[in-house]
Amino acid sequence: GAGVSQTPSNKVTEKGKYVELRCDPISGHTALYWYRQSLGQGPEFLIYFQGTGAADDSGLPNDRFFAVRPEGSVSTLKIQRTERGDSAVYLCASSLVGGFGGHNEQFFGPGTRLTVL
Amino acid sequence: SQQGEEDPQALSIQEGENATMNCSYKTSINNLQWYRQNSGRGLVHLILIRSNEREKHSGRLRVTLDTSKKSSSLLITASRAADTASYFCATAGMEYGNKLVFGAGTILRVKS
Repeated sequence: GAGVSQTPSNKVTEKGKYVELRCDPISGHTALYWYRQSLGQGPEFLIYFQGTGAADDSGLPNDRFFAVRPEGSVSTLKIQRTERGDSAVYLCASSLVGGFGGHNEQFFGPGTRLTVL
Repeated sequence: SQQGEEDPQALSIQEGENATMNCSYKTSINNLQWYRQNSGRGLVHLILIRSNEREKHSGRLRVTLDTSKKSSSLLITASRAADTASYFCATAGMEYGNKLVFGAGTILRVKS
């Protein structure tokens, strides 16, 4: 079956521009997560959706970052006024149900590599 | 923030040998998970061990958890070239609001 997909796979933009990154979770998964992974590091949590609502957005680094999931399926991560420090791989994951404390395996997409020049 | 720290940072072994990777963390946890990431690809969940478990097996993988030492180890037996990847531990616990917090990873290279 189809896994988590992310588009685009690569995005090159200029400093100051606006970008949108898309995530298509596994059908039926209610929980969706965004992570950011810098070179040589593990993924860092950004935001977690349960259904349509952001259950935890404490990982978003600043107000330039925003994410939506209007219909409880596809999610879009939006970055305004991009900076060179935003360059990283942005990973999306989904799980059947939400939360981290339980036993909900997260299935990751291949990521979007964002490069800000 | 990254609470898990993997050790070693990089490991190179011959095919057929066993590979052991360690993970240490700082706060109390609900569970600890190990993931594999092949170059340029997404993360694959390998195994989850709960805080009240001490050891878990899955195929050629063996994970141990010592909550008193706040450490875990991942053992891959009879390694194969296809096991070449980065391996990450990730913890979930109330201290971090139940976020999944990843370490920096161990790069494993299995030479054939």
